[in-house]
Amino acid sequence: DAKTTQPTSMDCAEGRAANLPCNHSTISGNEYVYWYRQIHSQGPQYIIHGLKNNETNEMASLIITEDRKSSTLILPHATLRDTAVYYCIVRVNSRDDKIIFGKGTRLHILP
Amino acid sequence: EADIYQTPRYLVIGTGKKITLECSQTMGHDKMYWYQQDPGMELHLIHYSYGVNSTEKGDLSSESTVSRIRTEHFPLTLESARPSHTSQYLCASSGSGAWTGNTIYFGEGSWLTVV
Repeated sequence: DAKTTQPTSMDCAEGRAANLPCNHSTISGNEYVYWYRQIHSQGPQYIIHGLKNNETNEMASLIITEDRKSSTLILPHATLRDTAVYYCIVRVNSRDDKIIFGKGTRLHILP
Repeated sequence: EADIYQTPRYLVIGTGKKITLECSQTMGHDKMYWYQQDPGMELHLIHYSYGVNSTEKGDLSSESTVSRIRTEHFPLTLESARPSHTSQYLCASSGSGAWTGNTIYFGEGSWLTVV
């Protein structure tokens, strides 16, 4: 079973910031938080990942709570092309980790 | 851009036929994965490999088999296709060890229809 819980779906107005929450209350100290998205039926695309500190790249920002039990992916200026299913996963960066995706959040960007 | 390739992209085949879905990556990744996904549904891990000669079953039981004879190649085979095998199959790979080396990269997927 996936170790994360996410809302099934969310709406966001175009041009606004999209904030996608993820709970991972059983995360262990050596597990990273990863975010991926899947547009239509393409292969999932990597967005960002982090361990403890907040991270930012050209696509998004990742805010991880101090206790690491939850995180938020922020798309600062959502566009229609950001409509996708967003997956939050936790994993250990070890040789033998298998990567399990949950149901993700279906994000609808509204014009 | 990820260098991971799947063939065929689309395949329609009759019941009982043997099929092999090919997956190759040129990134030198040790870890490779096969996921199965029906339209609008979640991704299910069916097979994975930590390296050459290593194969493991995933969380979703599958009648398919895999092999890993070379690092770059991870083919999936169905000995006798059935309509219940109709689905999208996604191959992925990942490095190991370093902070930036563990992103998982996906191929474009293979759509299999068994009639």
